[in-house]
Amino acid sequence: ILNVEQSPQSLHVQEGDSTNFTCSFPSSNFYALHWYRWETAKSPEALFVMTLNGDEKKKGRISATLNTKEGYSYLYIKGSQPEDSATYLCARSTDSWGKFQFGAGTQVVVTP
Amino acid sequence: DSGVTQTPKHLITATGQRVTLRCSPRSGDLSVYWYQQSLDQGLQFLIQYYNGEERAKGNILERFSAQQFPDLHSELNLSSLELGDSALYFCASSVGTGRGNTEAFFGQGTRLTVV
Repeated sequence: ILNVEQSPQSLHVQEGDSTNFTCSFPSSNFYALHWYRWETAKSPEALFVMTLNGDEKKKGRISATLNTKEGYSYLYIKGSQPEDSATYLCARSTDSWGKFQFGAGTQVVVTP
Repeated sequence: DSGVTQTPKHLITATGQRVTLRCSPRSGDLSVYWYQQSLDQGLQFLIQYYNGEERAKGNILERFSAQQFPDLHSELNLSSLELGDSALYFCASSVGTGRGNTEAFFGQGTRLTVV
């Protein structure tokens, strides 16, 4: 993998259901993996920063895992709510200076 | 509110023109990054400034330039605009000292439309 790839591109979830999606990235020159939540007309909002293989982070109903050896991260949303509707972006950094390589995002639509 | 301010929010201009996008970073942040999001593409890194100096360069066209001023605000100048330059331009800031995990905070973006 040369670029950061996210799948699926979009998904529709019923309110109350749980869902997850993937970020794949080059495992070489890895420094950190970032997840952002982006609602239309707003700023992308940082969710997690993960650096260590096996890292798991949780924020309310949203959690993420990291596998740096195989180059992937999963984001999970438990019991989806309409307010979880957003585009979720992942980004890889190769050093601590904060320059990111972004994926194209997974657009999540939660319907009541 | 991320603390990063971008102006203007929307900009419509004609081909061949020049525009300036402005970014005020979060208080205390020394690094400023510019990203471009075109249709159906992820955010593409353009350029980074740290404490007034250019730190890293990405896929930035020669028609584009940027600078960071002593008060740490940054401007992205886009000249000889083409239709394909229409995009959402984001500014982000971070402490960016080159040590530790660097979390970046994003502005709301400037939507540029070239007609």
